Amino acid sequence: DSGVTQTPKHLITATGQRVTLRCSPRSGDLSVYWYQQSLDQGLQFLIQYYNGEERAKGNILERFSAQQFPDLHSELNLSSLELGDSALYFCASTMENTDTQYFGPGTRLTVL
Amino acid sequence: GESVGLHLPTLSVQEGDNSIINCAYSNSASDYFIWYKQESGKGPQFIIDIRSNMDKRQGQRVTVLLNKTVKHLSLQIAATQPGDSAVYFCAEMDGNKLVFGAGTILRVKS
Repeated sequence: DSGVTQTPKHLITATGQRVTLRCSPRSGDLSVYWYQQSLDQGLQFLIQYYNGEERAKGNILERFSAQQFPDLHSELNLSSLELGDSALYFCASTMENTDTQYFGPGTRLTVL
Repeated sequence: GESVGLHLPTLSVQEGDNSIINCAYSNSASDYFIWYKQESGKGPQFIIDIRSNMDKRQGQRVTVLLNKTVKHLSLQIAATQPGDSAVYFCAEMDGNKLVFGAGTILRVKS
């Protein structure tokens, strides 16, 4: 158990809908990273937050957004969902001044 | 788990043998590398890391070797066990983000 928690574990929804994925980092970790894992693209970095502020952006679609709250948990919002958004979504967290990212168990999103 | 879409390479080893998983990275400026293990239905699990000022680092039953000249990373697992069966990913640090390789499936035969 990495100490990173994610909810829900599974999510099934329809095209055009909007969902919110939640992540709680390890205790004391200030940085949260979001990744998407799909069959054809592998693990891809989406976005990073540090202590509530966006720090880095990767291949994140404009339909997707994220935020990190004062209690350091983070949410990834996915809107206007398409079939191709079906994937595993992971968050990871790190302590300050370290690079090792510890991953949560992921949320499996299925868009029908 | 397996990623059929990416046609991951598979390494099959006999229980008790040593495993070597290889990875080529792309950015010669990368200075931090990590190996992760991912079991079916779970998130990537940290195994071992190495910085570019080192060429070898050992953990419990695992060793990572870094060859910066040819941009190559390897993970050696000693006395491979059935519980080692998983997909193994190398990742390099690019700024703040990790860039992952496609992964290698390790199958351990009993």
